[in-house]
Amino acid sequence: GAVVSQHPSWVICKSGTSVKIECRSLDFQATTMFWYRQFPKQSLMLMATSNEGSKATYEQGVEKDKFLINHASLTLSTLTVTSAHPEDSSFYICSASRQGAVEKLFFGSGTQLSVL
Amino acid sequence: AQTVTQSQPEMSVQEAETVTLSCTYDTSESDYYLFWYKQPPSRQMILVIRQEAYKQQNATENRFSVNFQKAAKSFSLKISDSQLGDAAMYFCAYRSGNNNDMRFGAGTRLTVKP
Repeated sequence: GAVVSQHPSWVICKSGTSVKIECRSLDFQATTMFWYRQFPKQSLMLMATSNEGSKATYEQGVEKDKFLINHASLTLSTLTVTSAHPEDSSFYICSASRQGAVEKLFFGSGTQLSVL
Repeated sequence: AQTVTQSQPEMSVQEAETVTLSCTYDTSESDYYLFWYKQPPSRQMILVIRQEAYKQQNATENRFSVNFQKAAKSFSLKISDSQLGDAAMYFCAYRSGNNNDMRFGAGTRLTVKP
């Protein structure tokens, strides 16, 4: 089956620093990748949608200058949390849809970000 | 915008019994997909079952089946012969056929009692 690898699985950083999270589709080409944020005991909230080679589309209320998304290839999308603050601490999950099977989404294992 | 509503924050079922999780959604689109995902404590999202809106037949996957009522915009999940490993958060999700956005409900935490 299709596999999406997300790295790192957890990261702790100091306030003010930037953190990059990678999302890779290992055995398929991902036309579209999605980034979600999940607070404890809450649902997944869509942050942004990225298509390879084009700018990401951000959901209302998500700061695009703070959450930089790059989808440079059909197998890699990155989310960079810039100048992280404690309120950015959360669980971030990426997902990808495959060419020819856009109705299916494959999820990464998530990244727990803790900002001190 | 599409919304997904799960009105049951928590549900409990006895092992080997059957439980139904509710989900309703709101959309004006005709082309869409509905999903149930399971999120165990590991937090890995696991696809349980998928339903295409254009299909009238309810999807089934082994012990999991759905009751898709398109006119009522209802999409409930039935778990038969519940097992301890079924305990998890269950999210109902809607995916547009136009822009591929996937929206999730608030989730239902399912507890399975031995």
